[in-house]
Amino acid sequence: KNQVEQSPQSLIILEGKNCTLQCNYTVSPFSNLRWYKQDTGRGPVSLTIMTFSENTKSNGRYTATLDADTKQSSLHITASQLSDSASYICVVSGTGGSYIPTFGRGTSLIVHP
Amino acid sequence: GAGVSQSPSNKVTEKGKDVELRCDPISGHTALYWYRQSLGQGLEFLIYFQGNSAPDKSGLPSDRFSAERTGGSVSTLTIQRTQQEDSAVYLCASSYPTGTSGGPPSGDTQYFGPGTRLTVL
Repeated sequence: KNQVEQSPQSLIILEGKNCTLQCNYTVSPFSNLRWYKQDTGRGPVSLTIMTFSENTKSNGRYTATLDADTKQSSLHITASQLSDSASYICVVSGTGGSYIPTFGRGTSLIVHP
Repeated sequence: GAGVSQSPSNKVTEKGKDVELRCDPISGHTALYWYRQSLGQGLEFLIYFQGNSAPDKSGLPSDRFSAERTGGSVSTLTIQRTQQEDSAVYLCASSYPTGTSGGPPSGDTQYFGPGTRLTVL
């Protein structure tokens, strides 16, 4: 069964600090992995997408890494801001005709001033 | 341009009543998804529409759930005889598939609406 596990479940950091969120998956065969940011009361918004051949992708202060061999990904947030407070969701898509991605439960990040 | 819109933003209903949730996808997007997000849970796939093809209803949890997509644009998710366990945020997403013909694409960017928060008392 395809699964996506995220850790930690929640995280509290001080403004200006860095943090790293983890994602492990069992989706196979693998197509791509996305990180979404979901603000409270809003729908998820795509931050990064990585395919099998990519091992790092940046979007401003967000940097995602992918190790397709160990089936792990991380999302690193640099110099956190209050607006980074949100849920971060790891989403993995497979190939072979499966167009329904597998969603992780998300990591809830709170940035305190 | 406008993003995906959903209405209502909040819906409170009594157990046993029927509810209709609406989704307006991004213009030109031929793929439309409905998901359910319960507290502390990941998004749960409900149903997928792609163009004029028959929808994939494999995620609908019971026959009380149904969805339509009229004219390849607006979609309505209907829940009949609502139960308390139906309480959740219902999210709609649309995308413009870029996969090859003969099979559905995987991993196209989905653009999500703000969701409808359904509370069944």
